[in-house]
Amino acid sequence: EAGVTQFPSHSVIEKGQTVTLRCDPISGHDNLYWYRRVMGKEIKFLLHFVKESKQDESGMPNNRFLAERTGGTYSTLKVQPAELEDSGVYFCASSLYRDSYGYTFGSGTRLTVV
Amino acid sequence: DAKTTQPPSMDCAEGRAANLPCNHSTISGNEYVYWYRQIHSQGPQYIIHGLKNNETNEMASLIITEDRKSSTLILPHATLRDTAVYYCIALGSQGNLIFGKGTKLSVKP
Repeated sequence: EAGVTQFPSHSVIEKGQTVTLRCDPISGHDNLYWYRRVMGKEIKFLLHFVKESKQDESGMPNNRFLAERTGGTYSTLKVQPAELEDSGVYFCASSLYRDSYGYTFGSGTRLTVV
Repeated sequence: DAKTTQPPSMDCAEGRAANLPCNHSTISGNEYVYWYRQIHSQGPQYIIHGLKNNETNEMASLIITEDRKSSTLILPHATLRDTAVYYCIALGSQGNLIFGKGTKLSVKP
């Protein structure tokens, strides 16, 4: 089966610009998660979708971040406007069940804001 | 939320068993312990998880102490490809993974 796919793999944007990251989960996985690692820090949870609904968005840092999952398939994470501190690696994961057994992570999108 | 503590780094000779410890003294009775690893530039990879009993799969074994305050991940025959950062993880109250700093395992020839 295809794994979790993230696009783009790398993105370099200027401060103030908008960037949209995309995640295609494993087919049939209702649960989709976003995590990120900013420079020198640990991997942090951002939010969790169950199908198209946001189950938990307690990790979203501020309102410059908007996640969507229309139709319960792929998800997008938009950062608008991007700030320097948003630089890092953004990971997406999906799972069949709500608990974390069987989380499959994508390879991540490395975002650099200059 | 439960927290875990791990040594920052460990070395292991190729072909030997790698034993990675984790302390989770604040974990509650129904919280699972999960292990993931991250090989350079890849996303985290699930390894194994357990609650009370020892667990084994094709990748590793997990030994959990009877009081559940600590556990050890065992890679029985470490290879160079096992060089990675290993994370011992407890779930957050909402079911999300809480990553710590992990243990950087270096497998040496």
